[in-house]
Amino acid sequence: GIQVEQSPPDLILQEGANSTLRCNFSDSVNNLQWFHQNPWGQLINLFYIPSGTKQNGRLSATTVATERYSLLYISSSQTTDSGVYFCAVVGGAQKLVFGQGTRLTINP
Amino acid sequence: DAGVIQSPRHEVTEMGQEVTLRCKPISGHNSLFWYRQTMMRGLELLIYFNNNVPIDDSGMPEDRFSAKMPNASFSTLKIQPSEPRDSAVYFCASSLGSSRSGNTIYFGEGSWLTVV
Repeated sequence: GIQVEQSPPDLILQEGANSTLRCNFSDSVNNLQWFHQNPWGQLINLFYIPSGTKQNGRLSATTVATERYSLLYISSSQTTDSGVYFCAVVGGAQKLVFGQGTRLTINP
Repeated sequence: DAGVIQSPRHEVTEMGQEVTLRCKPISGHNSLFWYRQTMMRGLELLIYFNNNVPIDDSGMPEDRFSAKMPNASFSTLKIQPSEPRDSAVYFCASSLGSSRSGNTIYFGEGSWLTVV
C-alpha cells in the first residue's frame, strides 16, 4: 500500500518562530489532508490539499503532487499550536492512510 | 452540528470482557470510519462504511473485532474477548462522500480503552 513519511518526527521551537513540516508519499494520490492532534487527543482537520496551495490564517499548505510531497507552514508559532501534525493520503484504495506525525512543541 | 459523538469516552475493563464502543456520525454524512491509535502503530484504519455497508474491513485485527452500522446514524465496534494489547484510543470519523472524493473527514473525540 501507499507509504506516508513525515519529517521531522519532533520539533521544538520558541513562541514566534516559523516552522515547516514535510510529508512525502510513495504513490499518486487523489486526496491529501493535514490534521492537528492537540494535547487532549482531539484530531482537527486543517486542510484538504491534493495539489496547489492554501492558506488559513497563520497556517498554509502546499502540495506538489507530481513530486509526491506536501508542506505545512506555521508562521509566528503560538503555544496553542503544540501537538502532533498528521498528513493523511488516499491512494489507489479508498483508505485514508496516516503518516506517523510530527510532534511540535512551542515553548513560551 | 454536534460533530461525531463517541461513547464511552473512557473505559477500563478486565481481560476477557466484552467491550462495545459506539459512534454517532454527523447527520447527513454517508461514510464512517473506525480508527485505532497506539504509540507503536500510530493511526490505523480498522473498517470503513459507505451508506451503512462495510467497504473495507481489512484493517480489523482479528475475529475478536466486529463492527456494525445498522443505520445511518449509529455504529458500534465490539471487541470480544478483550485483551491487554487492545488498549488504545479508538476514533470514529465521518465524511460526506468517500475518502477518494476528497471530502473533509471529521473525527470524534475518541474512546480511550484500557484492558487490564
